[in-house]
Amino acid sequence: GQQLNQSPQSMFIQEGEDVSMNCTSSSIFNTWLWYKQDPGEGPVLLIALYKAGELTSNGRLTAQFGITRKDSFLNISASIPSDVGIYFCAGQRPNIDMNYGGSQGNLIFGKGTKLSVKP
Amino acid sequence: DSGVTQTPKHLITATGQRVTLRCSPRSGDLSVYWYQQSLDQGLQFLIQYYNGEERAKGNILERFSAQQFPDLHSELNLSSLELGDSALYFCASSAAGQNTEAFFGQGTRLTVV
Repeated sequence: GQQLNQSPQSMFIQEGEDVSMNCTSSSIFNTWLWYKQDPGEGPVLLIALYKAGELTSNGRLTAQFGITRKDSFLNISASIPSDVGIYFCAGQRPNIDMNYGGSQGNLIFGKGTKLSVKP
Repeated sequence: DSGVTQTPKHLITATGQRVTLRCSPRSGDLSVYWYQQSLDQGLQFLIQYYNGEERAKGNILERFSAQQFPDLHSELNLSSLELGDSALYFCASSAAGQNTEAFFGQGTRLTVV
């Protein structure tokens, strides 16, 4: 199925480091969401973005909706051990039916970025 | 706690069998989405219901079907199960059909043996 290109696939962090990850697509999106998933749990919503160029923060997390509407970025500042997990980007595409407008309801997900602690 | 409830949490069944997964959305949410998460496939969208009607369909196999009931809970039916159907199945809900944040349940882990 259709997916977003999320990178990096995995990364190791040391406590206190800043972390960056991104998602790109060849198609435009109306909405970008960032989720975190811990093992055995469902994805938890971190940040939602609705406008091109929008920059939104949630504590140490900052995400941006790319100007082209084809990408989004998530930054984590001063990482702590509990930041480990899998981070997913997700987007909603515009409706194909222009008479309906808005977005397709279903989210398209990236494959995730796995954050682990440096040994 | 996201407010989305999925049952059962774990399910082990044999090939060829049929199972039903249940989802109760957050109070007031009209949309329900089903996703499949396999080890190396990420989250794959299966199907969306909005206020009882099918709204969008993803890569859902013909052996799978879903419905949303008048009380807005949803069920995902998986039949003629194969080993490759083993995965985590997530339900998510949102307030409307579009442009809103989706909140996920804790998932049902299905193991087909």
